[in-house]
Amino acid sequence: DAGVIQSPRHEVTEMGQEVTLRCKPISGHDYLFWYRQTMMRGLELLIYFNNNVPIDDSGMPEDRFSAKMPNASFSTLKIQPSEPRDSAVYFCASSFGQETQYFGPGTRLLVL
Amino acid sequence: GENVEQHPSTLSVQEGDSAVIKCTYSDSASNYFPWYKQELGKGPQLIIDIRSNVGEKKDQRIAVTLNKTAKHFSLHITETQPEDSAVYFCAARGTSGGSYIPTFGRGTSLIVHP
Repeated sequence: DAGVIQSPRHEVTEMGQEVTLRCKPISGHDYLFWYRQTMMRGLELLIYFNNNVPIDDSGMPEDRFSAKMPNASFSTLKIQPSEPRDSAVYFCASSFGQETQYFGPGTRLLVL
Repeated sequence: GENVEQHPSTLSVQEGDSAVIKCTYSDSASNYFPWYKQELGKGPQLIIDIRSNVGEKKDQRIAVTLNKTAKHFSLHITETQPEDSAVYFCAARGTSGGSYIPTFGRGTSLIVHP
């Protein structure tokens, strides 16, 4: 398996623009997670899905952030409008069950 | 929910020395404790894990220990090598509050000097 695939790997955008991050989990995995990593806050869980259903979105910072999982092989994290404080590395991870998570390579987002 | 504290935040050792990273957790019912290694520019990857019915687990140069009474667990790396330089995360999976997803510590940046 190719592992968790994320795109784009790097994104530079201007404040106020919409940003969409994409994730393809490992085939057969039933959990999908979105994390944000910054120096200040470490690795934060934003939201996770089980069988394509959002289970806990309490980590989503505010209404500007939204996530969807239309099917078992695709998920998006959208920020609209983006702000400079959203600059971070965003990771997608998937797992079979609630134990070992497999992380993607991350998307490095810079909002100017 | 679960709360995981990890220390130190930075650890610098000489090649060949041992390194120890410690974590504490709050949920006494937690039953699964994975450790992840994150190399520069990559996502975290699982390196070893331990369950609550085991006190210690080894895999070549790395080992984890678990003290359920004190609610702490540790990662031990022996004979460190420059390629061990990375950020290490501990995590604990609680079973209370309705969430069964591992909670991560803040990470430890390990630097191994040749």
